[in-house]
Amino acid sequence: DGGITQSPKYLFRKEGQNVTLSCEQNLNHDAMYWYRQDPGQGLRLIYYSQIVNDFQKGDIAEGYSVSREKKESFPLTVTSAQKNPTAFYLCASSTTPPGAAMGLGTGELFFGEGSRLTVL
Amino acid sequence: QQPVQSPQAVILREGEDAVINCSSSKALYSVHWYRQKHGEAPVFLMILLKGGEQKGHEKISASFNEKKQQSSLYLTASQLSYSGTYFCGTESKTSYDKVIFGPGTSLSVIP
Repeated sequence: DGGITQSPKYLFRKEGQNVTLSCEQNLNHDAMYWYRQDPGQGLRLIYYSQIVNDFQKGDIAEGYSVSREKKESFPLTVTSAQKNPTAFYLCASSTTPPGAAMGLGTGELFFGEGSRLTVL
Repeated sequence: QQPVQSPQAVILREGEDAVINCSSSKALYSVHWYRQKHGEAPVFLMILLKGGEQKGHEKISASFNEKKQQSSLYLTASQLSYSGTYFCGTESKTSYDKVIFGPGTSLSVIP
């Protein structure tokens, strides 16, 4: 079955520690995304990648880092510089939408089940 | 910039209709709609790519007014299963490679 796998589902971190959240997809999608979800604020974009070995900052990239060494994998590291890391983190992948002009744009986002990070 | 959604929350009785609105300050390339149930990942409903486009998904449909940079999601004859938080996501014409989500509209359907 194709899909997106995030791990771990729950993670506890002490202040000052870096943690890495895993995201793997077997949908053969080029684009992958990381969103952060806090109550009442919707989903905010942290980083995204359209192709292997390339990624861009989203709206709230400070305190986070990513890598995209393989098409299937897009891990997110929450560093100690992130001041308020407690949140629900969602990884997604997509391809271009059918009917889009010149193959541009973001198609359906397939989300993983999320990782809930709590800082103690 | 995050799109604006209204209302923030709505409570419906089964069988009633609802409209959720989404507006942006930017010229839009596309509008996405997703529904999220508590503790779960968001689930895709539909994408609207062209101004004036309307799409349907069972009893849920949406429209996209490109000139006004607005989209509306219509839920008719609501069912208990429609409860959840609805998010619109927008791609601007200057940045069509990322979807920016609104804050969400909480919808509760009661018997």
